Amino acid sequence: NAGVTQTPKFQVLKTGQSMTLQCAQDMNHEYMSWYRQDPGMGLRLIHYSVGAGITDQGEVPNGYNVSRSTTEDFPLRLLSAAPSQTSVYFCASSSRRFMNTEAFFGQGTRLTVV
Amino acid sequence: ELKVEQNPLFLSMQEGKNYTIYCNYSTTSDRLYWYRQDPGKSLESLFVLLSNGAVKQEGRLMASLDTKARLSTLHITAAVHDLSATYFCAVGFRDDKIIFGKGTRLHILP
Repeated sequence: NAGVTQTPKFQVLKTGQSMTLQCAQDMNHEYMSWYRQDPGMGLRLIHYSVGAGITDQGEVPNGYNVSRSTTEDFPLRLLSAAPSQTSVYFCASSSRRFMNTEAFFGQGTRLTVV
Repeated sequence: ELKVEQNPLFLSMQEGKNYTIYCNYSTTSDRLYWYRQDPGKSLESLFVLLSNGAVKQEGRLMASLDTKARLSTLHITAAVHDLSATYFCAVGFRDDKIIFGKGTRLHILP
């Protein structure tokens, strides 16, 4: 019973490098989202998806791309990393059909851009 | 603009005392969540509230929702040290965005 799986758990990038943070869920959830967590800022929504083939921007989308080709996977791409993207990233999934259920979170990816 | 405001942002309290965390939001919502986060960990779901007047309780924590006032509260009864953590409310808006408050860092002194 894996739930939401994020990889990697830790990553150090140099400024200007690109990378993809992976997120997979095995609960057949329609809704998936990415957040970043910075001290004193709570969690801020980057991008979200309500189903395969559908994505939309959240509160802080600049510098990030997403795609949703399958229900299970929702990767987050950093095209050209900047120090301001140093953060902890969380992926979440939830059911839209059963709205009384919680959103499940991955274990997080701690990203440092130097 | 979608806004979720929590207060207080930091709370230090003695064991055995009661206190309430408040969560206000800016516009009509479908659902409201409360989460707990321990340092260095992911988020743990506490409650999901859907309707006006909803009240849920688990141990020393009780959450309520007033959709007319756009307000949810998380009440802590007779706090114990194990409840020390950061608590977040998150609001599901009708455009499918789920927006978090900044969190309340709760420190319970033995």
